[in-house]
Amino acid sequence: NAGVTQTPKFRVLKTGQSMTLLCAQDMNHEYMYWYRQDPGMGLRLIHYSVGEGTTAKGEVPDGYNVSRLKKQNFLLGLESAAPSQTSVYFCASSYSVTQETQYFGPGTRLLVL
Amino acid sequence: AQSVTQLDSHVSVSEGTPVLLRCNYSSSYSPSLFWYVQHPNKGLQLLLKYTSAATLVKGINGFEAEFKKSETSFHLTKPSAHMSDAAEYFCVVSAILWNDMRFGAGTRLTVKP
Repeated sequence: NAGVTQTPKFRVLKTGQSMTLLCAQDMNHEYMYWYRQDPGMGLRLIHYSVGEGTTAKGEVPDGYNVSRLKKQNFLLGLESAAPSQTSVYFCASSYSVTQETQYFGPGTRLLVL
Repeated sequence: AQSVTQLDSHVSVSEGTPVLLRCNYSSSYSPSLFWYVQHPNKGLQLLLKYTSAATLVKGINGFEAEFKKSETSFHLTKPSAHMSDAAEYFCVVSAILWNDMRFGAGTRLTVKP
């Protein structure tokens, strides 16, 4: 099992450009999450999904959109990147609710110039 | 609402000496509490979790944590540090409302030879 994988590992964008981050899991988990990690702030939840075809906002959703068309994939989109979105993005998945263990991907480092 | 405070942003110990990473939490519910570890350029990995069973929780790699409701604390300890323990550690509180998962800001553990 690969667990949770993220594509790409690193990306540089110019302000205003768009991109999509891909998260894939092979554990048949229902729940998937996108976080951003900034220095001194821990991880903050951007969006999450409780199953195929569902998405919901987390703590810091502005400037991001997500889609869960297939159970194993969770996409995070930036329509018009801003320097404030420079961060490390982590995807995670879990079998059920948040009191269960989350399994994290290796992260995507994004730099917006 | 929930929150987590990790009392030290950086802890430095010598190899073979005890480790103490401190975490206080605030929760309106009966929380679940987690400790995750993040090695450089890697995703987060679960060390241990408390979900209202035994208050002393044992995790991987010799780590353990004690849930103290009266002190609203969930400190992480290890009797003897190893060089491979050098990493960032995150305390996490979670409740039934499943978008209400909060990460602490992290504690960076340095282990000196």
